[in-house]
Amino acid sequence: QSALTQPPSVSGSPGQSVTISCTGSSSDVGGYNRVSWYQQSPGTAPKLIIYEVSFRPSGVPDRFSGSKSGNTASLTISGLQAEDEAEYYCRSYTGGSTPYVFGTGTTVTVL
Amino acid sequence: EVQLVESGGALVQPGGSLRLSCVASGFTFSNYWMSWVRQAPGTGPEWVANIKQDSSERNYADSVRGRFTVSRDDAKNSLYLQMDSLGAEDSAFYFCAREGQAYALDIWGRGTMVTVSS
Repeated sequence: QSALTQPPSVSGSPGQSVTISCTGSSSDVGGYNRVSWYQQSPGTAPKLIIYEVSFRPSGVPDRFSGSKSGNTASLTISGLQAEDEAEYYCRSYTGGSTPYVFGTGTTVTVL
Repeated sequence: EVQLVESGGALVQPGGSLRLSCVASGFTFSNYWMSWVRQAPGTGPEWVANIKQDSSERNYADSVRGRFTVSRDDAKNSLYLQMDSLGAEDSAFYFCAREGQAYALDIWGRGTMVTVSS
């Protein structure tokens, strides 16, 4: 099972919006709603920010939103803040011999 | 406070074995699926294995199936990962994580480092 494809990096100025894509196939992202997103700062464990495509856990700011169209899931950060600089990973259920796969990761830079 | 604490990481020779542990606190451990995720330095996370609440179902990544075994002891609020036939490709930080709503990994430990080298 190959990793889901994400752009290596995205950037934006404070207050702008950025969107990170996560592209898979009909066997993973396109076939199930178990898509989640994680934020990871250097030296720390990943933190869940979106589950089941578009739901935010308690405590996650509403500037983070998720969606899915076909085989591609997306994470949008609206009103970008300096503290949003981090690595972001998507994860999807696959239903295959390896049930879960992560994305390749995207570095978000706040200019 | 909801918390997961891993231990057992070490330097081990190729072909060797290691057992990782993860102790949970602050929530009812027996109610949740639990996962192991690993991350080599400078790379993205890789899902390794998970185990159902009653240990009736266990799943593994293709890369570790047949070499790693996940288990749990609900009486001790503990999750384990027995790793055998270790190779250099298994070197990574190993995290335990709770599977919450929609099986998303909502609670993570801080990780324990495994290095496989001669």
